[in-house]
Amino acid sequence: NAGVTQTPKFQVLKTGQSMTLQCAQDMNHEYMSWYRQDPGMGLRLIHYSVGAGITDQGEVPNGYNVSRSTTEDFPLRLLSAAPSQTSVYFCASRNSAGASYEQYFGPGTRLTVT
Amino acid sequence: SQKIEQNSEALNIQEGKTATLTCNYTNYSPAYLQWYRQDPGRGPVFLLLIRENEKEKRKERLKVTFDTTLKQSLFHITASQPADSATYLCALAQNSGYSTLTFGKGTMLLVSP
Repeated sequence: NAGVTQTPKFQVLKTGQSMTLQCAQDMNHEYMSWYRQDPGMGLRLIHYSVGAGITDQGEVPNGYNVSRSTTEDFPLRLLSAAPSQTSVYFCASRNSAGASYEQYFGPGTRLTVT
Repeated sequence: SQKIEQNSEALNIQEGKTATLTCNYTNYSPAYLQWYRQDPGRGPVFLLLIRENEKEKRKERLKVTFDTTLKQSLFHITASQPADSATYLCALAQNSGYSTLTFGKGTMLLVSP
């Protein structure tokens, strides 16, 4: 199993550009989430999904869109990039069953908006 | 407002000693609490979960305690090694089953030989 994969690893955008961060998991997990991690702020939840076709907002959803058309994929779209979106983005997935509720994280995408 | 606090200063200890990290929370009634390890440039990795009705959990050299009266969890690494150097994050969930997680900012642990 590859686990949770994210592409790209690094990205530089100009203000106003749009892009999609890709996230895929091969563990057949129902739950998937996107977080951003900024220095001194910890991990903050952007959007999450409890299954294909179902998404919801987290703590910091503004400026981001998500969709979940398949169990495996959960892309995060930046509609019009702003310098405030410079961050490291992590995708995570979790099984609906299991005793530990363990979240599996991807390796992250480091995004810089100039 | 809801808050999760972890020591923002790095914890420096010598190899072989026990490291103790703290996670305090306010205005939460968590159903469970998790601890994750994060190495530089990598995603967090799950370590342990402890539920609201559990006082203590162990896994190899790791021990977690959960005091819902004090609103505090302690994370211990016994016989620490330089390879334990990393940032440790605590995360709370309000509900059992599916619940979003709220993370603390993490505490960096540095274990010197």
